[in-house]
Amino acid sequence: EAGVTQSPTHLIKTRGQQATLRCSPISGHTSVYWYQQALGLGLQFLLWYDEGEERNRGNFPPRFSGRQFPNYSSELNVNALELEDSALYLCASSSRGLVTEAFFGQGTRLTVV
Amino acid sequence: KQEVTQIPAALSVPEGENLVLNCSFTDSAIYNLQWFRQDPGKGLTSLLLIQSSQREQTSGRLNASLDKSSGRSTLYIAASQPGDSATYLCAVRRERGLTFGEGTQLTVNP
Repeated sequence: EAGVTQSPTHLIKTRGQQATLRCSPISGHTSVYWYQQALGLGLQFLLWYDEGEERNRGNFPPRFSGRQFPNYSSELNVNALELEDSALYLCASSSRGLVTEAFFGQGTRLTVV
Repeated sequence: KQEVTQIPAALSVPEGENLVLNCSFTDSAIYNLQWFRQDPGKGLTSLLLIQSSQREQTSGRLNASLDKSSGRSTLYIAASQPGDSATYLCAVRRERGLTFGEGTQLTVNP
């Protein structure tokens, strides 16, 4: 069974551009979490989607947005990219409920130049 | 104050040593606690999941305990190997989602 898949694996953008990152959860999972991990730092929570709805949002500016599709895959959009947005973006999925295990993808490395 | 704290931030041990990583969290209203491993530049690999009603979980050389009332969890690694070198993260699941600690960077020297 396929794990959580993220695309692309690497993305290079210019400051001011927009970036779109994609996540496909494990089959049957309805929750998707997004995290930002800047080099040498911990995981910062971005967004949580469950069954198509945004359940919670971290302390990030509105230019970080996303959505979850009917098939439970998810997109993270970052507008007006800044150099500080360069980071590893990680997606996790879990099945329905709050007691289930979370599984992570391998991440998208976003570099803003 | 950090919601989830991990101590120590870094640890270097010789091969074969048994070791303990610590995780503490504020607010004991958690659904579960999960331990992960992260290799440099990679995603996270789930190691153990402990539900709030459980005291411990074991997988191979790994044993994780949970004391929800005191807001603490430990990850015990027996007979450490160089391949165990990685960053270990704990995360607590609450109503508002999954919150991570900063991690413990473990180096096991041959």
